Amino acid sequence: NAGVTQTPKFQVLKTGQSMTLQCAQDMNHEYMSWYRQDPGMGLRLIHYSVGAGITDQGEVPNGYNVSRSTTEDFPLRLLSAAPSQTSVYFCASSSGGRRDGYTFGSGTRLTVV
Amino acid sequence: AQSVSQHNHHVILSEAASLELGCNYSYGGTVNLFWYVQYPGQHLQLLLKYFSGDPLVKGIKGFEAEFIKSKFSFNLRKPSVQWSDTAEYFCAVNAWNQGGKLIFGQGTELSVKP
Repeated sequence: NAGVTQTPKFQVLKTGQSMTLQCAQDMNHEYMSWYRQDPGMGLRLIHYSVGAGITDQGEVPNGYNVSRSTTEDFPLRLLSAAPSQTSVYFCASSSGGRRDGYTFGSGTRLTVV
Repeated sequence: AQSVSQHNHHVILSEAASLELGCNYSYGGTVNLFWYVQYPGQHLQLLLKYFSGDPLVKGIKGFEAEFIKSKFSFNLRKPSVQWSDTAEYFCAVNAWNQGGKLIFGQGTELSVKP
């Protein structure tokens, strides 16, 4: 049981480049979310999804796009990377039941130069 | 919109000292509450959660938290900390009518001196 898998673990981008952070879960969870973690700011919600085909914006959605074509996958796209997007990104999933917490992936450390 | 505030940014304790980390949330409706822990270099792990019923919840590794609805608080406690408790602790809230939206506080870094 792999849980929540994020790839890559590390990435360096140049300003203006685009890339996709991958997230996959094998627990048949309906809910998936993307967070960024910055020192002193905790985890901030970027986008989230409550099922295939359904996504919504979180606290800091600007500069990021998501889609949810399958239950298993929830990729996060950076269209034009900026240094302000240097951060650690975490993907998380939940079964969506009101008694469930989220399971987190191991994170992607992104540096934009 | 829901929000979460953690009052202590960095707490330094000696081993065997008691711990209490504050967490307050702002949301008027029914909520689920969580504490997560992040050990250095690792991802978040669930410590404990509150959904309903007994406001005193017990989690892993001897941690517990008390939900006080009138104060919108969910403070984390441990009677005697160990060096291995050194980590960052995050409080989080999920409002029942907000679907999958889980919002985190800023985190509290705990350093335990041996």
